[in-house]
Amino acid sequence: DTGVSQDPRHKITKRGQNVTFRCDPISEHNRLYWYRQTLGQGPEFLTYFQNEAQLEKSRLLSDRFSAERPKGSFSTLEIQRTEQGDSAMYLCASSFEGRQYFGPGTRLTVT
Amino acid sequence: GESVGLHLPTLSVQEGDNSIINCAYSNSASDYFIWYKQESGKGPQFIIDIRSNMDKRQGQRVTVLLNKTVKHLSLQIAATQPGDSAVYFCAEGREGGYNKLIFGAGTRLAVHP
Repeated sequence: DTGVSQDPRHKITKRGQNVTFRCDPISEHNRLYWYRQTLGQGPEFLTYFQNEAQLEKSRLLSDRFSAERPKGSFSTLEIQRTEQGDSAMYLCASSFEGRQYFGPGTRLTVT
Repeated sequence: GESVGLHLPTLSVQEGDNSIINCAYSNSASDYFIWYKQESGKGPQFIIDIRSNMDKRQGQRVTVLLNKTVKHLSLQIAATQPGDSAVYFCAEGREGGYNKLIFGAGTRLAVHP
């Protein structure tokens, strides 16, 4: 399968714990995007990278959130001191010519 | 502000009928529009996209229409099948889609046999 992959698919954590998600984009896609989706809503933009450079961050991305793409390939999204309001589906997408392809997402549940 | 909205939250159709899902956008600076299909527990799946220099684009059983005058986008699905049942999102972007996408809340399509 050469699509976007995300790991883990599901994560249950206790409030206050740190979590890290990984995204592997489609090979040779230079742009990588993170979105967050809550139940019944469309995805909301969080941040995106062109190669290893983080070009834009949403106001939704508080200081507890950090994303990296150190070698311009895979990316990680870390949430520190998780809160119940962080419970959502975290989606990664990649693109080469504008068209964004999404991964299956990581479902985070904070208890 | 920027927003992408949908006229109908739920659309029910009979198998074999044509479906039309509508979307309104408010940012006149948007130059790229895209439709996604999302099944339960899965990520959004690309259906079709269109740039602002076009008003119609066709794919396999799907057609996207763009009316920039009234800032309206629609997705037409021909001969709707049970496998088309899902939530459909339209999204808008700028710079040909290289920038972030802004999504609406989605329309649920239910196909009845």
